[in-house]
Amino acid sequence: NAGVMQNPRHLVRRRGQEARLRCSPMKGHSHVYWYRQLPEEGLKFMVYLQKENIIDESGMPKERFSAEFPKEGPSILRIQQVVRGDSAAYFCASSPVRELETQYFGPGTRLLVL
Amino acid sequence: DAKTTQPPSMDCAEGRAANLPCNHSTISGNEYVYWYRQIHSQGPQYIIHGLKNNETNEMASLIITEDRKSSTLILPHATLRDTAVYYCIVRLNFGNEKLTFGTGTRLTIIP
Repeated sequence: NAGVMQNPRHLVRRRGQEARLRCSPMKGHSHVYWYRQLPEEGLKFMVYLQKENIIDESGMPKERFSAEFPKEGPSILRIQQVVRGDSAAYFCASSPVRELETQYFGPGTRLLVL
Repeated sequence: DAKTTQPPSMDCAEGRAANLPCNHSTISGNEYVYWYRQIHSQGPQYIIHGLKNNETNEMASLIITEDRKSSTLILPHATLRDTAVYYCIVRLNFGNEKLTFGTGTRLTIIP
């Protein structure tokens, strides 16, 4: 059973460009969470999605950031008009349908904005 | 969610047991204690969780005090690959709540 997959593992963007980060949850998991880790800081929750629904986006910046988890395909975290402060590691986690299930994390995408 | 307090860093000799403490004095009855670790540049790795009974799996043991105000994660025979930041997290026992990471304990295994 493959774990949580994230791609790309490394992404370099220039200021003003768009960044798209993809997350494929573990097989059988329909809940996806995105977390961000700024350099030398802890992980911060961003958004929690189920298939086609955003459940909790309390940690998402109000502008430029969006997330989706379509019926088919991976979850996408999209950052428009990136700025240097967006440089961070972005981690995706997934969990099964049942409540209080453990979240399993992917390897992360390291975004560098030049 | 209740907050946790962990020492910022600890050292442990290779082959010895590593005991990582965590205080969660404001934990409520419907909150679990979870432990994750993050090895440098990798995604967080789930270790173990519990409510009030002690738990053991292939990675570690979790000892929770009777009043549930603190817990200890035990790595029975630490190896160099156990060097990581260890996070103690309390989480509600319903729904699919987000994880709130603190600053954790940076554990260094000494050869």
